[in-house]
Amino acid sequence: SQQGEEDPQALSIQEGENATMNCSYKTSINNLQWYRQNSGRGLVHLILIRSNEREKHSGRLRVTLDTSKKSSSLLITASRAADTASYFCATDADDYKLSFGAGTTVTVRA
Amino acid sequence: DAGITQSPRHKVTETGTPVTLRCHQTENHRYMYWYRQDPGHGLRLIHYSYGVKDTDKGEVSDGYSVSRSKTEDFLLTLESATSSQTSVYFCAIRAQGGGETQYFGPGTRLLVL
Repeated sequence: SQQGEEDPQALSIQEGENATMNCSYKTSINNLQWYRQNSGRGLVHLILIRSNEREKHSGRLRVTLDTSKKSSSLLITASRAADTASYFCATDADDYKLSFGAGTTVTVRA
Repeated sequence: DAGITQSPRHKVTETGTPVTLRCHQTENHRYMYWYRQDPGHGLRLIHYSYGVKDTDKGEVSDGYSVSRSKTEDFLLTLESATSSQTSVYFCAIRAQGGGETQYFGPGTRLLVL
């Protein structure tokens, strides 16, 4: 069964606004990763946060991890049209396999 | 794209026919994965491989088999395709050198009529 679940399922924002999506998971993890998928393409890795980290930044991306609540959030600041995509969280329970959530579809309106 | 190619990229087949999808990588990665992606389900792991001739099942392996006779190729076979196997199939590799991230191929769209 899927480990991660994203919320919301879909998000529509204006260019320049921030987008926040959340991921909840069920079991202990080694790390949590976020991926982006543009329409019709394969997934692209965005950022990885380890279980002993609470926050991580990469450019306009900010990821938080709360292992006590088994949840993570991805914030995209100052969104652009090119950020329109689906975003997936994936949990790594240290067994060389990732478990993906169903994803959040983000639409950035010009 | 980490040198990952998938073939074919699109396929239409009929129920009951065998289908083989190929994933090819050029960078000697040990771990390779097959996923399927369906609306509302994200990616679900079908099978994975941790070396030549070493494979294991994922969460949705029924109706699928895999083979890996060479490091660079990981084949996914639908022995007798069913309409429920209509999906987009992605191959991925796990980065070498201790990295835990996966890199994905472009996907194969399969339609089973």
